[in-house]
Amino acid sequence: GDSVTQTEGLVTVTEGLPVKLNCTYQTTYLTIAFFWYVQYLNEAPQVLLRSSTDNKRTEHQGFHATLHKSSSSFHLQKSSAQLSDSALYYCALNQGGRALIFGTGTTVSVSP
Amino acid sequence: ETAVFQTPNYHVTQVGNEVSFNCKQTLGHDTMYWYKQDSKKLLKIMFSYNNKQLIVNETVPRRFSPQSSDKAHLNLRIKSVEPEDSAVYLCASSLSFSGNTLYFGEGSRLIVV
Repeated sequence: GDSVTQTEGLVTVTEGLPVKLNCTYQTTYLTIAFFWYVQYLNEAPQVLLRSSTDNKRTEHQGFHATLHKSSSSFHLQKSSAQLSDSALYYCALNQGGRALIFGTGTTVSVSP
Repeated sequence: ETAVFQTPNYHVTQVGNEVSFNCKQTLGHDTMYWYKQDSKKLLKIMFSYNNKQLIVNETVPRRFSPQSSDKAHLNLRIKSVEPEDSAVYLCASSLSFSGNTLYFGEGSRLIVV
């Protein structure tokens, strides 16, 4: 079936170092858009990045992701993690005529 | 700035009771959703409405029922709560059903004792 896989449940990183969150997907439907959502503690999930174009880098708030349909991936990266980046991150995909499908989420913990 | 409003934010109730959660969006969107976020933080779609019409009804127990009076409001009723219903229920809206960004409310946490 259709699915979004986030392999890491928890990623710990030291402030100032790079961080990468993996996201791969499997789908049999025409997929319209891919997203990364971030949820800070006791807050609502909010969109971080959105992409629908293959091999195009998308950036926002220092994070970037590139959709690679050849490898069914949409990994999230940041070159220098900040303490304020500590949060829960979801990868998601939107297929035509279907609701958004979320991955299992990756908690990022940034330490000083 | 919050534009999807949920009430109540927190509710504790006993097994077998009825619970209702309300959601209102002020974004002028056509589509609204209810997602369940469980204790493991998994986000699962429950229902989706587009212009007051039910378009997605995932496999959820029949004790759950959505109610929409207009496209800005989508409520969720749980007729007889069970312990496994303890979760955060997140309401969201989007411009339309396909490909658009979801905007979430802050959630309604339900604890069933």
